[in-house]
Amino acid sequence: RKEVEQDPGPFNVPEGATVAFNCTYSNSASQSFFWYRQDCRKEPKLLMSVYSSGNEDGRFTAQLNRASQYISLLIRDSKLSDSATYLCVVNGMGGSYIPTFGRGTSLIVHP
Amino acid sequence: DAGITQSPRYKITETGRQVTLMCHQTWSHSYMFWYRQDLGHGLRLIYYSAAADITDKGEVPDGYVVSRSKTENFPLTLESATRSQTSVYFCATTSSRTGIYNEQFFGPGTRLTVL
Repeated sequence: RKEVEQDPGPFNVPEGATVAFNCTYSNSASQSFFWYRQDCRKEPKLLMSVYSSGNEDGRFTAQLNRASQYISLLIRDSKLSDSATYLCVVNGMGGSYIPTFGRGTSLIVHP
Repeated sequence: DAGITQSPRYKITETGRQVTLMCHQTWSHSYMFWYRQDLGHGLRLIYYSAAADITDKGEVPDGYVVSRSKTENFPLTLESATRSQTSVYFCATTSSRTGIYNEQFFGPGTRLTVL
């Protein structure tokens, strides 16, 4: 079982839709959690950190469920420009500073 | 502020040749990483470095060599390139220190083709 798992998609949604991605992680000792966005043929960039209390940034909401060991990303009112791959990242597994990446979830927003 | 840069951005080489990919950062971040990204595999860690003169293997280190004589540079060398090393290579840094796990910052990537 991979340490960080994501549904690869693609998620194909119309503009204006709400879409949610989940990511599960295997190590309960994990310390920090992130969502990155990667556009085609570009480098990954931080979208948002994920805090225990949940956090929101505009149309994006991230949540952490430590009991069930998953994090989620909710995108409301999808835009064409949201089309990208979304990477779940978990850090601090077993005290390691080496982040563990999921393989990413592809989102395609169409008109 | 250049942040993190990689060179070359594109490279075509032949099987058996030695190739060095450069990574330079201006933040003095302690940790640096090399990843490769291939379709179907996501990002895979090749090597990482916690500080100058400290390096360690990641998930897929075979065929690669790294060094880190200075904090700001972390070159990755393919000693004898093979076709299976055709990939996009990303360098990344993070300022993580004891008890704090910060975000990573990625370079723009190097597209390497081995013929």
